[in-house]
Amino acid sequence: DTAVSQTPKYLVTQMGNDKSIKCEQNLGHDTMYWYKQDSKKFLKIMFSYNNKELIINETVPNRFSPKSPDKAHLNLHINSLELGDSAVYFCASSQELGQGYSGRDIQYFGAGTRLSVL
Amino acid sequence: KNEVEQSPQNLTAQEGEFITINCSYSVGISALHWLQQHPGGGIVSLFMLSSGKKKHGRLIATINIQEKHSSLHITASHPRDSAVYICAVGGRAQKLVFGQGTRLTINP
Repeated sequence: DTAVSQTPKYLVTQMGNDKSIKCEQNLGHDTMYWYKQDSKKFLKIMFSYNNKELIINETVPNRFSPKSPDKAHLNLHINSLELGDSAVYFCASSQELGQGYSGRDIQYFGAGTRLSVL
Repeated sequence: KNEVEQSPQNLTAQEGEFITINCSYSVGISALHWLQQHPGGGIVSLFMLSSGKKKHGRLIATINIQEKHSSLHITASHPRDSAVYICAVGGRAQKLVFGQGTRLTINP
């Protein structure tokens, strides 16, 4: 059983399109994250949700909108895709409780979604 | 300058060699994480530590809070250890901040 699963694994699309990436975790964790990994393999946080509530929203364009229907799911919707959005997007989860983020919990990562915008 | 700096950026070694990857950070932290990213892209958490030393198999991670420095050691390295190793720190900013990664290649 995959702990954190993302779909799709690969996504190739044209500029200007709208696309979604889905993430689900079956670990019973309270906190989920979206990360972007650029071509230089540098990981950066985009969003963090704790029990369906947005905790972190880094300086990400408004075209990116996370949605958490329940604490086991955190989906990422991207409008009007641009060339610069091409990257690998990772979902992760951890057992961080409430607003008191400690950074002390192990994060479990999905396999990543490689997005290519043409 | 990144808040988390790793060295070296690339490391190639022969099978069996002792490997050290370093991580320095400039912010206050509650914990430091070492992650491994396989050639296929998957990311796995290796260690989370806030003081001292942890060991798992051939991997050892140490941290010196006063010096804001951590090291990841691999003993008796093997080609299957070839991966990108990423240091990340967690703290008051409510997020993990990542180093740029160290690409390790172990040749048979």
